[in-house]
Amino acid sequence: QVQLRESGPGLVKTSETLSLTCGVSGYSISSGYCWGWVRQPPGKGLEWIGDICQSGTTYYSPSLKSRVTISADTSKNHFSLRLSSVTAADTAVYYCSRLLRYFAYFPPAEYFQHWGRGTLVTVSS
Amino acid sequence: QSVLTQPPSVSGAPGQRVTISCTGSSSNIGAGYDVYWYQHLPGTAPKLLLYGNSNRPSGVPDRFSGTKSGTSASLAITGLQAEDEAYYYCQSYDTSLSGSLVFGGGTKLTVL
Repeated sequence: QVQLRESGPGLVKTSETLSLTCGVSGYSISSGYCWGWVRQPPGKGLEWIGDICQSGTTYYSPSLKSRVTISADTSKNHFSLRLSSVTAADTAVYYCSRLLRYFAYFPPAEYFQHWGRGTLVTVSS
Repeated sequence: QSVLTQPPSVSGAPGQRVTISCTGSSSNIGAGYDVYWYQHLPGTAPKLLLYGNSNRPSGVPDRFSGTKSGTSASLAITGLQAEDEAYYYCQSYDTSLSGSLVFGGGTKLTVL
């Protein structure tokens, strides 16, 4: 059974870089699928941040693309999120997820199969 | 403001049937992209409920069903149970702004 677990600082200073890691167990991230991040600001809905696929291809939300980097370390079976120049608007619960992206037919399949429990990151000066 | 629109809340008594709508536009659901549904209890990992508009992953009861038509989709829950009280989110793909995975704002289901 695939399990994902987020880890990282719960408090980040304004203008600095938010860094989170997602540890994966039960599946090797080098074997397939895409691995990504979703966040939920307090009192708001879910927002896709981006993901990295086994092929190395990355997908980023257009609204966050200039500040986001997602990378994977297959030797440690984990993947990471870096979000630069954070502000209070980046305060959120951050979830990591395994995505299926399948483009052989239309419509393509692009969705979140497994999720972590999330970690709250607060941005404050 | 979410790209996909859901009602903020719905409610129903145990045993009843409820539906949750998800309204999109011609750049997402109306363009033919599939809709996915997730169940989320705060503090826990969200759970995939339906994929490809109406398909249930292994372990999801057949009380949960989904439909899609035009620019909208719906999640139906029959035989409502107390354990169904949660937030429900729809998700699709949107072709505007260079393409993006998009969610609805979420619907809180209360079992009376």
